[in-house]
Amino acid sequence: KQEVTQIPAALSVPEGENLVLNCSFTDSAIYNLQWFRQDPGKGLTSLLLIQSSQREQTSGRLNASLDKSSGRSTLYIAASQPGDSATYLCAGLNAGNMLTFGGGTRLMVKP
Amino acid sequence: EAGVAQSPRYKIIEKRQSVAFWCNPISGHATLYWYQQILGQGPKLLIQFQNNGVVDDSQLPKDRFSAERLKGVDSTLKIQPAKLEDSAVYLCASSPDRAFFSSVSSYNSPLHFGNGTRLTVT
Repeated sequence: KQEVTQIPAALSVPEGENLVLNCSFTDSAIYNLQWFRQDPGKGLTSLLLIQSSQREQTSGRLNASLDKSSGRSTLYIAASQPGDSATYLCAGLNAGNMLTFGGGTRLMVKP
Repeated sequence: EAGVAQSPRYKIIEKRQSVAFWCNPISGHATLYWYQQILGQGPKLLIQFQNNGVVDDSQLPKDRFSAERLKGVDSTLKIQPAKLEDSAVYLCASSPDRAFFSSVSSYNSPLHFGNGTRLTVT
């Protein structure tokens, strides 16, 4: 059974900092790894999807990496802004279209 | 394209009452998911449909929860009777996967989530 863990659970940084969010998973037989953003009272918005054959994906100031052998993914946010404040969730997709989420990292970017 | 629609947005009920949530996925999306998200935790899959068939309901508390997806489009999730620990946000998501196991590419469609229904059981 896949287990996904995210560290840290919460993070507060000043505006402009580069930061890294960590995600680890126990079952390396994933088909893809997705990063989502969740704003308070809202659903999840897909940010990046890394296929099992890829090592990283980039979108604007976001870069996500995937290392299946070590069971880790990282989300790098460059030049953080207050608008980046949200909860970031990672999820691994395994056989049977099973998507397992981590507990999330609550990010606060202070002006 | 229109997103995943869910209703109601909020619901407050007393324990032992029943409640139903509705989800309309993105048009053409074959796969529909219901997730339960307890405050401070990541979403947990309750049930997954492929068209109108159930693919996985292993984490659905079947003594009180039920879900259906008639005609492979809209879906309803029901709780009867509700317990205090059912207080959570219920999220519906859909994805366009049609080739369930036949193609690697079918695993690479991101999920689209609705805004959820926040349930409070008192």
